[in-house]
Amino acid sequence: EVVLTQSPGTLSLSPGERASLSCRASQDISSNYLAWYQQKPGQAPRLLLYGTSNRATGISDRISGSGSGTDFTLTIDRLEPEDSAVYSCQLYGSSPLWMFGQGTKVEVK
Amino acid sequence: QVLLQESGPGLVKPSETLSLTCDVSDYSISDGYYWGWIRQPPGKGLEWIGSVYHSGRTYYTPSLRGRVTISVDTSKNLFYLNLTSVTAADTAVYYCSREFRYSTSRGNDFWGRGTLVTVSS
Repeated sequence: EVVLTQSPGTLSLSPGERASLSCRASQDISSNYLAWYQQKPGQAPRLLLYGTSNRATGISDRISGSGSGTDFTLTIDRLEPEDSAVYSCQLYGSSPLWMFGQGTKVEVK
Repeated sequence: QVLLQESGPGLVKPSETLSLTCDVSDYSISDGYYWGWIRQPPGKGLEWIGSVYHSGRTYYTPSLRGRVTISVDTSKNLFYLNLTSVTAADTAVYYCSREFRYSTSRGNDFWGRGTLVTVSS
């Protein structure tokens, strides 16, 4: 079973700064099957990126993704207060079929 | 825009069965995609429960296999979650979602708002 580990647990930054969030897999994975979600309190997750770096419909170009093998990164440029949320990576794998990381909380203030 | 809406009891007694329905609007389940259930215990991360294809083929997480059943009714454009023998550990917000599985990408593109199910006597 592949394990996804996200770091840091919490990231506190100021508006205008850049956030870099890490998602590390316990073994090599296909970059095609790595996605990222944003979740604000009381809301459902929102798809940000799929296939590591492809932005979902309506997602700002301030958000980008990169990585391969075991290390993947979500980058948010020019942070805005509305970017405050929990960000989770997700992997389509074998067993279980879908796996989520534990999430990184981003605070922008 | 695909809309999904979960419904079902918000309180279930221990050892009983949790049953939820997901109503899909503005898209016909019969047209494709996979349809899944994901849960999130209070203050914790997301956990995939299982998925169903419009043909009825199902996929479940190993940790819940034996207790979980997901089914679909294409005539009503609904899909369902049944989880038996629940305990307090099953207390969570339950989301229904549409999954896409293309050759070069996978993910969940549309989600319901979620429904909190509490297991308590």
